Amino acid sequence: KAGVTQTPRYLIKTRGQQVTLSCSPISGHRSVSWYQQTPGQGLQFLFEYFSETQRNKGNFPGRFSGRQFSNSRSEMNVSTLELGDSALYLCASSFFQSTDTQYFGPGTRLTVL
Amino acid sequence: EDQVTQSPEALRLQEGESSSLNCSYTVSGLRGLFWYRQDPGKGPEFLFTLYSAGEEKEKERLKATLTKKESFLHITAPKPEDSATYLCAVEGGGADGLTFGKGTHLIIQP
Repeated sequence: KAGVTQTPRYLIKTRGQQVTLSCSPISGHRSVSWYQQTPGQGLQFLFEYFSETQRNKGNFPGRFSGRQFSNSRSEMNVSTLELGDSALYLCASSFFQSTDTQYFGPGTRLTVL
Repeated sequence: EDQVTQSPEALRLQEGESSSLNCSYTVSGLRGLFWYRQDPGKGPEFLFTLYSAGEEKEKERLKATLTKKESFLHITAPKPEDSATYLCAVEGGGADGLTFGKGTHLIIQP
């Protein structure tokens, strides 16, 4: 059974640009959550999508947004990039809700210059 | 607001030297406590889910336990391949995703 996949694995952007990251969940999983991981703050919850609807949202500015498609694949977008957005962005999928076991992808390493 | 504190931040052990990692939490209505291991450059790998105080789960050299205020990850006779960062996370009643601790960086020396 294929795991969670994320593309691209690495990205380099400059301040002010925008970026879109993609996540394909494990087959049959309908809930997709996004997390930001930095050395200083650790793993922080961004948002969760289920059935194409954002179900929960963490404490991040509106520059961070996402969406989910009918096949459960999800994308997250960060607009007007800042240096502090440099991080590992992780996607996790679960069957129905975030209290079900979440399985993580390998992450997308975003560097903002 | 849910909070998770892990200790120690880093731990260096000799191969075969057993120890325990601690995860203290405050949460309004615990819905689940999760343990993950993370290797450098990779996403977290699921280890255990615990739902209620008194629950225990085991997998190879690892055993996770849960009380009303903390969880322990016991590592028995560790091997160098057990070296990783171990992360603890909780899901509370607020349904705002998992709240993670900063992790324990474990090094097992041969």
